[in-house]
Formats: sequence, structure tokens, C-alpha cells
Amino acid sequence: DQQVKQNSPSLSVQEGRISILNCDYTNSMFDYFLWYKKYPAEGPTFLISISSIKDKNEDGRFTVFLNKSAKHLSLHIVPSQPGDSAVYFCAVTMDSSYKLIFGSGTRLLVRP
Amino acid sequence: DTGVSQDPRHKITKRGQNVTFRCDPISEHNRLYWYRQTLGQGPEFLTYFQNEAQLEKSRLLSDRFSAERPKGSFSTLEIQRTEQGDSAMYLCASSTWGLATSDTQYFGPGTRLTVL
Repeated sequence: DQQVKQNSPSLSVQEGRISILNCDYTNSMFDYFLWYKKYPAEGPTFLISISSIKDKNEDGRFTVFLNKSAKHLSLHIVPSQPGDSAVYFCAVTMDSSYKLIFGSGTRLLVRP
Repeated sequence: DTGVSQDPRHKITKRGQNVTFRCDPISEHNRLYWYRQTLGQGPEFLTYFQNEAQLEKSRLLSDRFSAERPKGSFSTLEIQRTEQGDSAMYLCASSTWGLATSDTQYFGPGTRLTVL
């Protein structure tokens, strides 16, 4: 049973446009949500997070939105840059420092 | 500023052999986690430590797997009698815990294991 789903395995976006990556989860007990970026042959790099008491968190070009009623979160990257090309994983947890449950990832390609 | 380090980065072994991986967390972090990632999937939780205590093990961690963190600093993950299905990227992460603010898990570069 997949508790976290990223239904789009890949996404291709033109440089300068918005990239929107989506993630759905099943358990309403999850209270902390994160996005990681991963380049080939490297470990995941933390990008941005949001707790369940918020519905939006921004950090520069990256914004995460949380819709608790729909059990859905999304990552917006504006403007997208070629260096953003990577695999993006959403992750959820019931405690900010407890085990993470990851989605299967979305490969983002930003075309110059 | 040193992040999480893992050694070796790559390991090729024959089926039935034992392998051991090492993880050095960020120095002030008291929690250490092991995950495993296979092709096309996200990382899956294996086990975690708070200081030297192993607090949880996943069902994925069969009795051929053992992890230790003897002095609450570095950790080792040993796989005995390796099988081809053990081929994966083994990731280590660390974080703090017990502070007022939420603490993020920071990952190392991983050890890629290939079992022939």
C-alpha cells in the first residue's frame, strides 16, 4: 500500500516557466511534509518543508502548498532553471525528526 | 562545514559474501537513519538511532541485516550472506532531535551495492 504517491514520473518545462510537482498522501495523521531534490549518484538534498499548521511556505523560487482536506501537496518552482533538472521526491512524517515516507519521485527536465 | 559522509561509495560483491557500510553523521546530530533506495523508487526507511540506541527497525530489515551505532557517533550497517535482491543504494541521514524547532534529515551521498 502506497502511503505517498507521485503520479507523474516525469515533467518537462521550458526555462523561465513554472514547474508544478504534485504529491498525494493517504494518512491524515501525517503532520510534516518535505521536498527533496536528487541528482544522479548523489543523496537527496533537502529543498523545503511545511508543517500541517500551515498551507503555504515559500523559500525563494520554491513554494510548497498543502491542502489537508485533499491530502495533497505541491511544489511550485518559479522561474524554472536548467539547473533545477533533477528527480524530486516528496516525503511525509508524523514527527519532524522521525522516519520519512517517500513518494516514488518525479523527474523534472527544464529545457533551455 | 562537513555533511553526512558514507563509505564506501560503491561496493561490488558476490552473492553470499558479507558487506559492511559506514556512515558518519553531522557532528552535532543525535539521530541517525538508514534508508534503502532501489531503481525507480523513493528511499525506504530501514532503521534509526537516537544516540547509541536503535529505536526502530523496519520489516524490510531481515535478520541478515544489522546496524550499530556504538558510541552514538558513526554507524555501521552490515549485510550477511548477501543476495542479488540486496542490490540497492543505501542512504544514511542524520538530524537533531529535542530542540524547539523542527529538524530536517540531511542525507549522505549513499553507498551503491551491487551483488553479482
